[in-house]
Amino acid sequence: GDSVTQTEGPVTLSEGTSLTVNCSYETKQYPTLFWYVQYPGEGPQLLFKVPKANEKGSNRGFEATYNKEATSFHLQKASVQESDSAVYYCALSADTNAYKVIFGKGTHLHVLP
Amino acid sequence: GGIITQTPKFLIGQEGQKLTLKCQQNFNHDTMYWYRQDSGKGLRLIYYSITENDLQKGDLSEGYDASREKKSSFSLTVTSAQKNEMAVFLCASSPGTDNNQAPLFGEGTRLSVL
Repeated sequence: GDSVTQTEGPVTLSEGTSLTVNCSYETKQYPTLFWYVQYPGEGPQLLFKVPKANEKGSNRGFEATYNKEATSFHLQKASVQESDSAVYYCALSADTNAYKVIFGKGTHLHVLP
Repeated sequence: GGIITQTPKFLIGQEGQKLTLKCQQNFNHDTMYWYRQDSGKGLRLIYYSITENDLQKGDLSEGYDASREKKSSFSLTVTSAQKNEMAVFLCASSPGTDNNQAPLFGEGTRLSVL
């Protein structure tokens, strides 16, 4: 079946440093890929989505490129802030059943001031 | 703007008890979801529903029942709570019209079983 694998956390960084959270996916279909962010006490919220291969999504300084050849969708940010501390989830929905959205295990990011 | 309301926010149950969690959305979305969130295991799909009275099993449906009697509401029942079980149950909804599904989530129901 479809699956998503992402960097195991926790990831601890100092403010101002760069972030990469790896995400790899498995599916026989052509998926839409998502990144979500979850703050304590809240539900996950969409950071951005990318429906097409070789395109890039971005929001709030975060970005990821849908790499179909490598089946990857790594999340990057050039300079993290303390307020970026949260759990980040990579997810996919396959085109043959777009209603079924599968999430990875999440990556907990701690940013130190 | 709309909102997804999950009730109750906190639920304490006894081993073997049947427990029901409720979710309401006012986005007029077609598709609704129930996910279970455990530390270190991410979000796992329990059930989803693409329209009123429809039910589809996710990867974690065993031990759960679901009900979608109205477009705006989606209930989840834990058929027999397991001792020491602790998890967050997240409800979500999406328009369900194309491949660019992006579920919107509620704040969750936190379950503890004594």
